[in-house]
Amino acid sequence: SQQGEEDPQALSIQEGENATMNCSYKTSINNLQWYRQNSGRGLVHLILIRSNEREKHSGRLRVTLDTSKKSSSLLITASRAADTASYFCATDIRETSGSRLTFGEGTQLTVNP
Amino acid sequence: NAGVTQTPKFQVLKTGQSMTLQCAQDMNHNSMYWYRQDPGMGLRLIYYSASEGTTDKGEVPNGYNVSRLNKREFSLRLESAAPSQTSVYFCASSLYDRNTEAFFGQGTRLTVV
Repeated sequence: SQQGEEDPQALSIQEGENATMNCSYKTSINNLQWYRQNSGRGLVHLILIRSNEREKHSGRLRVTLDTSKKSSSLLITASRAADTASYFCATDIRETSGSRLTFGEGTQLTVNP
Repeated sequence: NAGVTQTPKFQVLKTGQSMTLQCAQDMNHNSMYWYRQDPGMGLRLIYYSASEGTTDKGEVPNGYNVSRLNKREFSLRLESAAPSQTSVYFCASSLYDRNTEAFFGQGTRLTVV
């Protein structure tokens, strides 16, 4: 089963509004990362938050992490039509052979002009 | 600035045929990954290589083999393709084995008929 689960699966908002996406996971992590995917393209890294961090900002992005609840949220402020994409959370899990990234199923964000 | 390069971009196979997907990165990264992405399923890890000379199974390794040819290259082989392997395949790499972002290739769209 997927380690990370995003909520909601789809989100449609108007330009200028804020978009919030949530991610829950199951096991202990090294860090949690958010990626964006435009239709038909590869994934692009947005932001990484370490397990000992609670909040991180990057431009219009704000990420929070609550390790006690095993959850994270991604907030995109003042959204633009160009933000339309799928957003994925990925958990970095430490294993004996190394670490690996496990992805959730994603949130499809549509920003209407 | 090539980053992560995957070949081919598109491929159609008949059931039972074999093929190898190639991936190369020019960022001197230690870790490399192969994922598949199916509609509504997010990305699922097939195999990963934490460092040159090591490979490990991910969530969905059945029907695939991998080779970490050298630090730059990580190939994925389908020995006997099945329609269930129709998917988009992504290769990714990261610098260290934790707390670093992954860089993705543009994907290989594979159809097995």
